[in-house]
Amino acid sequence: DIQMTQSPSTLSASVGDRVTITCRASQSVSSWLAWYQQKPGKAPKLLIYKASSLESGVPSRFSGSGSGTEFTLTISSLQPDDFATYYCQQYNSSPWTFGQGTKVDIK
Amino acid sequence: EVQLVESGGDLVQPGGSLRLSCVGSGFTFSTYSMTWVRQAPERGLEWVSYISSGSNTLYYTDSVKGRFTISRDNAKNSLDLQMNSLRAEDTAVYYCARVKGSYAFMDVWGKGTTVTVSS
Repeated sequence: DIQMTQSPSTLSASVGDRVTITCRASQSVSSWLAWYQQKPGKAPKLLIYKASSLESGVPSRFSGSGSGTEFTLTISSLQPDDFATYYCQQYNSSPWTFGQGTKVDIK
Repeated sequence: EVQLVESGGDLVQPGGSLRLSCVGSGFTFSTYSMTWVRQAPERGLEWVSYISSGSNTLYYTDSVKGRFTISRDNAKNSLDLQMNSLRAEDTAVYYCARVKGSYAFMDVWGKGTTVTVSS
């Protein structure tokens, strides 16, 4: 199974900050990587797919980059609605696996 | 509006069975592959099972193989997950999710249904 490791596990930031979350795969997943946002008690929401493609309706302050084994999710200017937990997911091969999550909270 | 609604979650004893259901609306259900993803309390997301649009391809994570069965009825826009021999570690919120295109990431999620396995 491909292991996905996110860093950091928790990130404290302020509104307006630039935030970067890293996701590393235990083997290459090419560009078959997605990012999701989840708020407490809610279902995950798709943000990014194929490493850098922005899902329709997602604000342009979210961006993704990377390929192979290292990926990043960047929020260019953190907004109050962005405080949440973020997960990466590889879909290169079954079983499709998620990172452990990165919680972005208020500094 | 594109929507997925899960049902069937309950409190069940270890070794028991439960059947989860998910109904899709607002899109052509029969043309999409579907998945189940679960989230144990205070834990991360875990993909559980996948079914292709025509039910000819099925996948399961190792921990549920032989115990869970995914199925769908395209005439009823419904997706099911039959869960047998339930264990405490199966306790989680179970989400039904739509797979985008021919890939394996999820672009539409239901709100989830809670399964608790406890005596």
